[in-house]
Amino acid sequence: RKEVEQDPGPFNVPEGATVAFNCTYSNSASQSFFWYRQDCRKEPKLLMSVYSSGNEDGRFTAQLNRASQYISLLIRDSKLSDSATYLCVVKTNAGNMLTFGGGTRLMVKP
Amino acid sequence: DTGVSQDPRHKITKRGQNVTFRCDPISEHNRLYWYRQTLGQGPEFLTYFQNEAQLEKSRLLSDRFSAERPKGSFSTLEIQRTEQGDSAMYLCASRSGFNSQSQYFGPGTRLLVL
Repeated sequence: RKEVEQDPGPFNVPEGATVAFNCTYSNSASQSFFWYRQDCRKEPKLLMSVYSSGNEDGRFTAQLNRASQYISLLIRDSKLSDSATYLCVVKTNAGNMLTFGGGTRLMVKP
Repeated sequence: DTGVSQDPRHKITKRGQNVTFRCDPISEHNRLYWYRQTLGQGPEFLTYFQNEAQLEKSRLLSDRFSAERPKGSFSTLEIQRTEQGDSAMYLCASRSGFNSQSQYFGPGTRLLVL
């Protein structure tokens, strides 16, 4: 079983739609959580950190459920430019590496 | 551009050859990471440096792989006797040690072993 699991998609949504991605992680010692965005053939870029109380950045909302070891990302009012792969990422405080999920691909259509 | 830079961006080599990649982190970042990413997968951790010290290595890093960061600034990743299974994107990331867990990635070096 992978340490971080994501539905690979693709999620095909029309412009303006709301879309949600979920992610589960297996290591209960995970302490830091992130969503990264990766465009085709480009490097991953930090989208947002995920805090225990949940957090919002414009059209993006991230939630963390430590009890269920579950992270979510909600994108409202989808734009064509949101088309990308969204990577769920966790980190334990003991280790220094990031552990990535396989990514969820989003395609926003006109 | 003050981001993470990597060189070369692309490398094609024949099986059995040695290759070396370079990473220049963001200048004030003392922590540097190497990851490998294959098609359809997320990046996988290879190794980590704090300043010049290599503090962590993944089991993915076979004895054909070696990484250095001699002066605590740029880093090199060498693969000896390349195999077709080494074909991947090699990503470098850096982060500041001060109250930030966020890692910033370079554009990667795409390796193809024929």
